[in-house]
Amino acid sequence: DIQMTQSPHSLSASLGETVSIECLASEGISNYLAWYQQKPGKSPQLLIYYASSLQDGVPSRFSGSGSGTQYSLKISNMQPEDEGVYYCQQGYKYPFTFGSGTKLEIK
Amino acid sequence: QIQLVQSGPELKKPGESLKISCKASGYTFTDYAMQWVKQAPGKGLQYMGWINTQTGKPTYADDFKERFVFSLETSASTAYLQINNLKNEDTATYFCARALIWWGQGVMVTVSS
Repeated sequence: DIQMTQSPHSLSASLGETVSIECLASEGISNYLAWYQQKPGKSPQLLIYYASSLQDGVPSRFSGSGSGTQYSLKISNMQPEDEGVYYCQQGYKYPFTFGSGTKLEIK
Repeated sequence: QIQLVQSGPELKKPGESLKISCKASGYTFTDYAMQWVKQAPGKGLQYMGWINTQTGKPTYADDFKERFVFSLETSASTAYLQINNLKNEDTATYFCARALIWWGQGVMVTVSS
C-alpha cells in the first residue's frame, strides 16, 4: 500500500497568516492527490483534487501544489473558519490511503 | 442535489452483527462506485474499500477483508456496510462517500459489553 506521511501533526496560526501542510507519498502518485478539511463531528470536505484543482465552492485562499511524491496545501490569509483537521489522500492506487492529519488551530 | 443519507447510531455488544445503510439521491446510483471510510474516535481516516454499483463487486482494503461486507439494494439506491462478529476496535464512525467528494453524515458505531 502507498504510505502518506503528513506534516506537521499540528499547527497554530494567527488570523491573516499563511500556512502550509506537507504530504509525502511512499511512491509516485502522478498528482492523484486530494486534500480534505474536517471539522469536529462533521464529514470531511474536499478542498483540492488532482493536487492543485480547487473544488467548487472552496475559497481561493486554499491552494495545492506538488508532483511526484511531494505535495503541499497552502492556506493564505487564515480565517477563523479554517480551523479543523486537514488530510491528504492518494487516489493513484488501491487501496486509497490517507495521511494522518494535521490539526490547524487559531493562535 | 447529491445527497448521501446514512442510518442512525448503533450500540452493539461484541460478537453481534450490524448493517448500516447509505441512501443516495440526486444522481443515477449505478453511475458511480461507493466508497467506505472508517474513523475511530479521535483518530484519522481509514479507507475500507469500495463497491462497484453496476456489478455489485466489492473490493476491500486488507484490514477489512474479514468480517466486513459491502452490498447494494440498487432499486432503492442504497449501499450497505455489514460488520459481523463485532469487536471493541470496530467502535468508530463509518462514512460512505461517492468518489470521496460527496460524503454521508457518518454512522457512529459503539461496541461495548
